Amino acid sequence: DQQVKQNSPSLSVQEGRISILNCDYTNSMFDYFLWYKKYPAEGPTFLISISSIKDKNEDGRFTVFLNKSAKHLSLHIVPSQPGDSAVYFCAASDNSGSSNTGKLIFGQGTTLQVKP
Amino acid sequence: NAGVTQTPKFQVLKTGQSMTLQCAQDMNHEYMSWYRQDPGMGLRLIHYSVGAGITDQGEVPNGYNVSRSTTEDFPLRLLSAAPSQTSVYFCASSYSGGILYEQYFGPGTRLTVT
Repeated sequence: DQQVKQNSPSLSVQEGRISILNCDYTNSMFDYFLWYKKYPAEGPTFLISISSIKDKNEDGRFTVFLNKSAKHLSLHIVPSQPGDSAVYFCAASDNSGSSNTGKLIFGQGTTLQVKP
Repeated sequence: NAGVTQTPKFQVLKTGQSMTLQCAQDMNHEYMSWYRQDPGMGLRLIHYSVGAGITDQGEVPNGYNVSRSTTEDFPLRLLSAAPSQTSVYFCASSYSGGILYEQYFGPGTRLTVT
């Protein structure tokens, strides 16, 4: 049972346009969400995060939106650049238990291609 | 800082063989974890540790053992390799406090079991 889903395996956009990557989750106890970026033959790197008490977090060209009622989050990249071409993973954390373990549940990933 | 390092980068095993994937970090992070990445599956948590001497199971722990004798090292042992363990393995670490979930990942170990 996939608790975090990225239903689009791939996305292609033109340089300078907006990229929107989507992520859905099923567990209403998730309280922290993150986006990671991964280049081939490298480990994932942290991109941006959002707490469940917020609905938006912005960092430069990257903005994450959270819609708790819909259990949906999205990552917007504006403007998109060819160097943004990578696999993007969303991840969620559940700390409803007694201890803060930092366990993350990842989605399947979306491959973004930004064309020059 | 070297960050999170993993060895080896590539490994081919025969079914039934055992081996240890090494992971080390020099950031004095309390939290360390192992993930496997398979096509269409994202990253799945195998085992994790919230400090030296403390380990726990993640989503897919079967066939793997871990131990955490020091803060720096978190090796992953494959007891008897199976073709289903063919995957890319990532080690990660993070601070125990602050923004706990911003994990730093190593470059990965690509394992093939024949």
